[in-house]
Amino acid sequence: DSGVTQTPKHLITATGQRVTLRCSPRSGDLSVYWYQQSLDQGLQFLIQYYNGEERAKGNILERFSAQQFPDLHSELNLSSLELGDSALYFCASSVAPGTREQFFGPGTRLTVL
Amino acid sequence: QKEVEQDPGPLSVPEGAIVSLNCTYSNSAFQYFMWYRQYSRKGPELLMYTYSSGNKEDGRFTAQVDKSSKYISLFIRDSQPSDSATYLCAMSVGNTGNQFYFGTGTSLTVIP
Repeated sequence: DSGVTQTPKHLITATGQRVTLRCSPRSGDLSVYWYQQSLDQGLQFLIQYYNGEERAKGNILERFSAQQFPDLHSELNLSSLELGDSALYFCASSVAPGTREQFFGPGTRLTVL
Repeated sequence: QKEVEQDPGPLSVPEGAIVSLNCTYSNSAFQYFMWYRQYSRKGPELLMYTYSSGNKEDGRFTAQVDKSSKYISLFIRDSQPSDSATYLCAMSVGNTGNQFYFGTGTSLTVIP
């Protein structure tokens, strides 16, 4: 158990809908990362937050947004969902942005029908 | 061309074999190289990381980086059934370059 929690574990929704994925980092970790994992693309970095501020942005679509709250938990919002958004979404945390080790949560499996 | 290329396998070996997993990359600015292990239905967990070129050993695992060839390897000695998992390589530019670039992963099965 990495200490990173993610909810929900599974999410099934329809195209055009909006969902929110939630992540709580390990105790003491200030940095949170979001990743999307699909079979053909592998693990893709989406966005990183550090102590409430956006720190780095990867291949995140404009339909997706995220934030990190004062208690350090983070939410990833996915809107206008498309079939291609079906994937595993992982949250990871680390003590600080330059830390090599990121601890991954168990993931949220999103299915868009 | 993807930043990081990794043969997806699957790779199947008998228990006790030496396993070699590899990744190639195109960005010569990568300085940090990581290997993650991901069991089915779990998140990735960090196995090893190395900085720049060279070897690093940790128990049965050895990571090698050859920056001149843009090629990294993970060797597993005396492989065990519990090593059956997907192995992902990851790379980043530097301490302030927090974006990790992952390979697609190699699925490994160690047969008892």
